[in-house]
Amino acid sequence: EVHLVQSGAEVKKPGESLKISCKGSGYSFTAYWIGWVRQMPGKGLEWMGIIYPGDSDTRYNPSFQGQVTISADKSITTAYLQWSSLKASDTAMYYCARHARFAGNYHLVDWGQGTLVTVSS
Amino acid sequence: SYELTQPPSVSVSPGQTASITCSGDKLGDKYTYWYHQKPGQSPVLVIYQDNRRPSGIPERFSGSNSGNTATLTISGTQAMDEADYYCQAWDNNTGVFGGGTKLTVL
Repeated sequence: EVHLVQSGAEVKKPGESLKISCKGSGYSFTAYWIGWVRQMPGKGLEWMGIIYPGDSDTRYNPSFQGQVTISADKSITTAYLQWSSLKASDTAMYYCARHARFAGNYHLVDWGQGTLVTVSS
Repeated sequence: SYELTQPPSVSVSPGQTASITCSGDKLGDKYTYWYHQKPGQSPVLVIYQDNRRPSGIPERFSGSNSGNTATLTISGTQAMDEADYYCQAWDNNTGVFGGGTKLTVL
């Protein structure tokens, strides 16, 4: 059974850095893209980007390019989402999700439980 | 950037058929995926590649996609189907979600 277990909730101040994690198990971690989705309070889902842990190939939604960094450590089957300088507008729930690919399209097959990030002075 | 448009809300009586639409330019040329999300929970994939159901998803969930509109249909809607529903497509190396539809079963 596939499991994606995310790190716990975070409370940070504007300007601080943060790295949240998502540990995958129950499947071949290096054979599937894994990515991140943002959900701001009371809002919809926003696709942020994905990484292929096999070779670290990464793709970003242009809206998030330069704002966050997605990485992965295949030795510990863990993906990461990182900010260098948080803003209040980064306050949201962040989900990791294992992606499946078919005919050049990707969809989100399995989801983590979410990590709530709160940025407040 | 590519956009997917969903109605904000849909209401249905128990046992009736609910239809949720998702519109986008030439969406029928792409694959559409559907997820539902219940309050306080992570999203769950309910339809992939327009009309396929993942294992564990009830047969009452079905999908179609043609022209500019994809449709998620829930036949014999149950109270447990009340949730937010999101469509998703892939365009220009980017995932795109619709704004979501709140399905109310009353």
